[in-house]
Amino acid sequence: KAGVTQTPRYLIKTRGQQVTLSCSPISGHRSVSWYQQTPGQGLQFLFEYFSETQRNKGNFPGRFSGRQFSNSRSEMNVSTLELGDSALYLCASLDSGTGSGEQYFGPGTRLTVT
Amino acid sequence: GQSLEQPSEVTAVEGAIVQINCTYQTSGFYGLSWYQQHDGGAPTFLSYNALDGLEETGRFSSFLSRSDSYGYLLLQELQMKDSASYFCAVGYQKVTFGTGTKLQVIP
Repeated sequence: KAGVTQTPRYLIKTRGQQVTLSCSPISGHRSVSWYQQTPGQGLQFLFEYFSETQRNKGNFPGRFSGRQFSNSRSEMNVSTLELGDSALYLCASLDSGTGSGEQYFGPGTRLTVT
Repeated sequence: GQSLEQPSEVTAVEGAIVQINCTYQTSGFYGLSWYQQHDGGAPTFLSYNALDGLEETGRFSSFLSRSDSYGYLLLQELQMKDSASYFCAVGYQKVTFGTGTKLQVIP
């Protein structure tokens, strides 16, 4: 099976702009989670989608949003970008059948806000 | 809320054994997982403990004590390629990761 894919891999944006990141989970995985990784804050949970519904949400401002499509592909959007949004954004898909909670991560999108 | 604490850095010699500890505070406990992340790479799953005790997977073992809210990852026969960051994590659908331990393996 193909792994989790994320596009684009690198992105440079200016403060105030908005950005949309895309994630395609492993075939058959219906849960997709998004994380923000920064040197100072580590890996932080943004939100999780399952069957097109946001099931869990982390402690991020409303500028961060997401959605999931019927084919389980997911997008996250960040509006009104701030310098502090510069980070590696990772998505992960979960095989709900295993019970271990094993998350399969994509390579990430490196976002730089200038 | 949930929080997990790990040492920030550990250095060990190639061929040796190293233990990375993790203490956690969580409102509901599902299990403790461990992930490895090389610089520039994505986290990859290493192990999962739902019950107390030791789980072994090749050179890696993971231990859990739910009464102590404590776990550790044990890496044996260290290799240079084991130099990476290691994260403990709790949760199932909503996963909280520890602060990460950067392991440096030296010759």
